[in-house]
Amino acid sequence: GENVGLHLPTLSVQEGDNSIINCAYSNSASDYFIWYKQESGKGPQFIIDIRSNMDKRQGQRVTVLLNKTVKHLSLQIAATQPGDSAVYFCAEIGGAQKLVFGQGTRLTINP
Amino acid sequence: NAGVTQTPKFQVLKTGQSMTLQCAQDMNHEYMSWYRQDPGMGLRLIHYSVGAGITDQGEVPNGYNVSRSTTEDFPLRLLSAAPSQTSVYFCASRFETGELFFGEGSRLTVL
Repeated sequence: GENVGLHLPTLSVQEGDNSIINCAYSNSASDYFIWYKQESGKGPQFIIDIRSNMDKRQGQRVTVLLNKTVKHLSLQIAATQPGDSAVYFCAEIGGAQKLVFGQGTRLTINP
Repeated sequence: NAGVTQTPKFQVLKTGQSMTLQCAQDMNHEYMSWYRQDPGMGLRLIHYSVGAGITDQGEVPNGYNVSRSTTEDFPLRLLSAAPSQTSVYFCASRFETGELFFGEGSRLTVL
């Protein structure tokens, strides 16, 4: 069945360092993946997406990598800032256009 | 731009009471969905709709009903509230493919 999960529930990084958040998915038929950021008390916000015909996509300070061979997705945040503190979710669109979310990783920035 | 609007933002119910969470979007999105988010967990799909007059079940549909009489509105009904339904509920919408836009959430407590 469709299942998206994250390797680590928490991640702490020093301000200015790069952050890498990982995600594993199980549905090899999924063709669209999204990373969301959720700050406390707010709804999830879109960060970046990638389709299955791509291996890498870059945005502003963020890069998403997709490895379909091992069904792995990662989000890289360059020069992490205090405002990046949040919970990050990966999500996939599988069958019937349903968006399925992983558990989430809480990113904490140390000054 | 209103985006996705959810009401109420907060609600306290007693066990057995019924209520409806309202969701409206003004982006002419075909796809709408309801998620619940429990502490420390990701978002779980309750019900979704790919267009007016069409609804389908997600991962955790029991105890909830939905209808989609118009493109704009997608209400979520709790038929007989239970403490296990204490959660934060998010409504979201998107076009057939692409970014999912979320509302700000509705925090429900069932006593």
